[in-house]
Amino acid sequence: AQKVTQAQTEISVVEKEDVTLDCVYETRDTTYYLFWYKQPPSGELVFLIRRNSFDEQNEISGRYSWNFQKSTSSFNFTITASQVVDSAVYFCALTLLWGNTDKLIFGTGTRLQVFP
Amino acid sequence: DVKVTQSSRYLVKRTGEKVFLECVQDMDHENMFWYRQDPGLGLRLIYFSYDVKMKEKGDIPEGYSVSREKKERFSLILESASTNQTSMYLCASSNRPQHFGDGTRLSIL
Repeated sequence: AQKVTQAQTEISVVEKEDVTLDCVYETRDTTYYLFWYKQPPSGELVFLIRRNSFDEQNEISGRYSWNFQKSTSSFNFTITASQVVDSAVYFCALTLLWGNTDKLIFGTGTRLQVFP
Repeated sequence: DVKVTQSSRYLVKRTGEKVFLECVQDMDHENMFWYRQDPGLGLRLIYFSYDVKMKEKGDIPEGYSVSREKKERFSLILESASTNQTSMYLCASSNRPQHFGDGTRLSIL
């Protein structure tokens, strides 16, 4: 079965703290994609990163970094020196290849609150 | 940048009405999707389409239908709206990754 688990429902931090959002996935496919999305209070889902199953290199983009480990089926997301604008719900997702298209399996999301 | 536009941010309708939610993308993507998002349930796929006039059921298609007459436009139809269809509806267009519209908060009274 394909599944994405985000065990942390809600995290609260104070500005400038580092925070890691956990994501664990299950799939039998050898080829798959993993994604992180951000949903701010305004509601839109914003794409942050895509990683394919053959690329285990960690990714850094400014204050954001991602750690993909196939051995533990995890794709964790770290925000360094968090800011109030980082407050949002963050979703991890896994692609299920379905016929002619991809189907995203989402985790239930982690709500991050960053306090000044 | 990919642009996915949903016709309304907020919509209020009455039980029994036929409701149309429209979604337009400007990137010539073949794949388009409709999701609903509810607290505690996350995002659930209603329908998707991989080409004009082609559609596939997602996880929760009951009570909904879709239309894809042109590549750029994917419409979600609530045939006879019910209160349990009050939700946030999100449209997406994909070239892996999926890019989402701003969402429509639909209330059925």
